Amino acid sequence: EVQLVESGGGLVQSGESLRLSCAASGFTFNKYDMAWVRQAPGKGLEWVSTVSAFGIVTYYADSVTGRFSMSRDDSRNMVFLQMNSLRVEDTAVYFCANPYSSGFAYWGQGAPVTVYS
Amino acid sequence: QSALTQPASVSGSPGQTITISCTGTLSDISGYNSVSWYQHYPGKAPRLIIYDVSLRPSGSSSRFVGSRSGNTASLTISGLQADDEAEYYCSTYTTGRWVFGGGTKVTVL
Repeated sequence: EVQLVESGGGLVQSGESLRLSCAASGFTFNKYDMAWVRQAPGKGLEWVSTVSAFGIVTYYADSVTGRFSMSRDDSRNMVFLQMNSLRVEDTAVYFCANPYSSGFAYWGQGAPVTVYS
Repeated sequence: QSALTQPASVSGSPGQTITISCTGTLSDISGYNSVSWYQHYPGKAPRLIIYDVSLRPSGSSSRFVGSRSGNTASLTISGLQADDEAEYYCSTYTTGRWVFGGGTKVTVL
């Protein structure tokens, strides 16, 4: 059974940093891309970042480029999202997700992040 | 990739058939087989119900049918049931990047 478990969410002040982690199990982790998707309160889903299999390439949404950094540790079956210079508008539930073809087949339960001014 | 437009809400009675549209640019929607659909209950993780325009992952009901015509993708839900009441999102994919539509609230009357 595929499981994705996020951790590291919390309450931080604007301008501070936070690191999210996602532990994966139930599939051959190093062969798959991984991604982060967020949902701000009362808003829709927003793709944030993707790291390719083996960590060769990373992609970022324009809204987080230059502030967020996604990485993976295949030895521990984990992905990370380092979030720097956080803004109030980054407040959201952050989901770790496993892409399959054009969709996200598996999702974690989400890690809430609240940024206050 | 540009924005995807979905209706804010769609409603239907139990047993009816409803369709949710997802409109984008011709290149976004018609490019490859890049459209997916998600069902999302509040406080839960989204669930993939359609990928590659019209394919259903294991466990997704046959009542969900995805299609595409020109710059519009569609999700049709037949035999509407009470537990279909949820938010539905379309998404397009292009090498490493995704764009989501704004979401459609489905209400079962």
